[in-house]
Amino acid sequence: AQRVTQPEKLLSVFKGAPVELKCNYSYSGSPELFWYVQYSRQRLQLLLRHISRESIKGFTADLNKGETSFHLKKPFAQEEDSAMYYCALSGFYNAGNMLTFGGGTRLMVKP
Amino acid sequence: NAGVMQNPRHLVRRRGQEARLRCSPMKGHSHVYWYRQLPEEGLKFMVYLQKENIIDESGMPKERFSAEFPKEGPSILRIQQVVRGDSAAYFCASSPLAGAANEQFFGPGTRLTVL
Repeated sequence: AQRVTQPEKLLSVFKGAPVELKCNYSYSGSPELFWYVQYSRQRLQLLLRHISRESIKGFTADLNKGETSFHLKKPFAQEEDSAMYYCALSGFYNAGNMLTFGGGTRLMVKP
Repeated sequence: NAGVMQNPRHLVRRRGQEARLRCSPMKGHSHVYWYRQLPEEGLKFMVYLQKENIIDESGMPKERFSAEFPKEGPSILRIQQVVRGDSAAYFCASSPLAGAANEQFFGPGTRLTVL
């Protein structure tokens, strides 16, 4: 069975502080990992995926297979980063290709 | 491209009534996914469809719930004889291709409230 765990429901930081949103997963095969973000009054949208190895809006995430983690990081948080963040997993050999989501972390960046 | 469309955005039903949720995928997308989000929880997969076919319905309750994606028209998620526990946000997503690495594009969701 595949599972995604985001241990923090709420993360509150001040503007300019570093941010790390934690994500751990369990999956027996080779997973694809994603971070989705939902800003206030907007739909869920893809932020980044591990296969792309990109930095989006200053965010990066490294897949650590040894620790089965895919933490999202940003060195200097901005107020506009305040949103709900969801870590998600898709099984490489999963015929359904569905996403398994974590419970989400609400990031609040205070001025 | 208007993105994934869902309607209605809000739906109120009394216990025992039927709920029909519609999803129009992005143009050119033939893969549709339905997810449910209960309050204070993450999204949970329900069903994956391609045109005229249900590919994976492992996340959908066996009773009262059904889904379709006809050759013409939107995908429909149908909940018969709704109960209070069906109150949730239902999200539809679409993608142009199959494959675990492909991005899914989400609709704005339908918030179902069962009185």
